[in-house]
Amino acid sequence: SAVISQKPSRDICQRGTSLTIQCQVDSQVTMMFWYRQQPGQSLTLIATANQGSEATYESGFVIDKFPISRPNLTFSTLTVSNMSPEDSSIYLCSVVPWGATYEQYFGPGTRLTVT
Amino acid sequence: KQEVTQIPAALSVPEGENLVLNCSFTDSAIYNLQWFRQDPGKGLTSLLLIQSSQREQTSGRLNASLDKSSGRSTLYIAASQPGDSATYLCAVRAIQGAQKLVFGQGTRLTINP
Repeated sequence: SAVISQKPSRDICQRGTSLTIQCQVDSQVTMMFWYRQQPGQSLTLIATANQGSEATYESGFVIDKFPISRPNLTFSTLTVSNMSPEDSSIYLCSVVPWGATYEQYFGPGTRLTVT
Repeated sequence: KQEVTQIPAALSVPEGENLVLNCSFTDSAIYNLQWFRQDPGKGLTSLLLIQSSQREQTSGRLNASLDKSSGRSTLYIAASQPGDSATYLCAVRAIQGAQKLVFGQGTRLTINP
């Protein structure tokens, strides 16, 4: 298993500003992902965070809007840039630990409100 | 393209009842299937993981089954309790490609005391 922490847990931000969300895992993991969950919706994958290289973004998500870093095997950041009220969501970090089972774990989420 | 559907979207039952949540997926070429629980405003908690070669997994009052050939999974909750109230999400991981999890829309479960 993996224990995942996210900072901040919640924030209220003004339109046009940027917020960086941190994800820390208690052990080295093979895969790290960032998801968005808009109010009342299921989860949407934003990107796969690749260690030491550029993230792999899903259709509809771009690096300029959601820059991601993953400097090592236990840490990643997601920045939500130039925010608008439509970015108000829960952002979730998720990981797959080393091993053959490919069981995926999720962090507690960051609740973002943009005013 | 893999699609995951969960039925029903919402379910409300009295405490003590046994219940079944359904999940179906369109592409049977999966590596595994996970059931998650999500409390309002919180992250996801992994409940059960079923590998493609397995038929079922059990954890306490929860039992999940997998019929890969028909593209179906069920989550059985025995003797439901008010603390079971949450949204339950089913997700499948493909064998090929990026092996991303594809989620259903979830079933919102309410257990009434």
